Amino acid sequence: EAGVTQSPTHLIKTRGQQATLRCSPISGHTSVYWYQQALGLGLQFLLWYDEGEERNRGNFPPRFSGRQFPNYSSELNVNALELEDSALYLCASRGDRGGSYNEQFFGPGTRLTVL
Amino acid sequence: GNSVTQMEGPVTLSEEAFLTINCTYTATGYPSLFWYVQYPGEGLQLLLKATKADDKGSNKGFEATYRKETTSFHLEKGSVQVSDSAVYFCALRVSGNTPLVFGKGTRLSVIA
Repeated sequence: EAGVTQSPTHLIKTRGQQATLRCSPISGHTSVYWYQQALGLGLQFLLWYDEGEERNRGNFPPRFSGRQFPNYSSELNVNALELEDSALYLCASRGDRGGSYNEQFFGPGTRLTVL
Repeated sequence: GNSVTQMEGPVTLSEEAFLTINCTYTATGYPSLFWYVQYPGEGLQLLLKATKADDKGSNKGFEATYRKETTSFHLEKGSVQVSDSAVYFCALRVSGNTPLVFGKGTRLSVIA
């Protein structure tokens, strides 16, 4: 079974630009979570999508947005990039049956650098 | 609100030493508790979990016991190996499908 995949691995942008990050969940998983791992701040919850709908968002400004597609893959968009947006962005999908019920499986992350 | 506090690192140990990483939490209700591990250059992997008070999670020689009276979930391993070098995150979840709340992580380095 393939794990959660994310693209690109690395992304370099300049301040003010927009970034788009992509995530493909494990086959059959319908929930996708996005987290930001900034240096010194640990992991902070960004957004949660389930069945194509945004279910919850963390304490981030509106320039962080996203969507979930009919195949349950997801996109995170960050507009008007600021230097402090530089971080590792992790995507997780949630198991919905069996032994992995409600467990979140994480992808390898996208490293975003804002110059 | 819900929060997790874990000991700051980095922690450096010699191979075969005993490991403890402290984790305490604040939460409404009865959360599930987790330890995740992040090896260099990789995403997070679930190491162990406990879903109710007095449960002990264990995996790969690591253990943690859900202590409701002290709101703690300390991670322990009796004899660490160089391959255990990683960042360890304590986390909680207040209900089945809500997002995880993480601590800031503790970097462990094990030297031969």
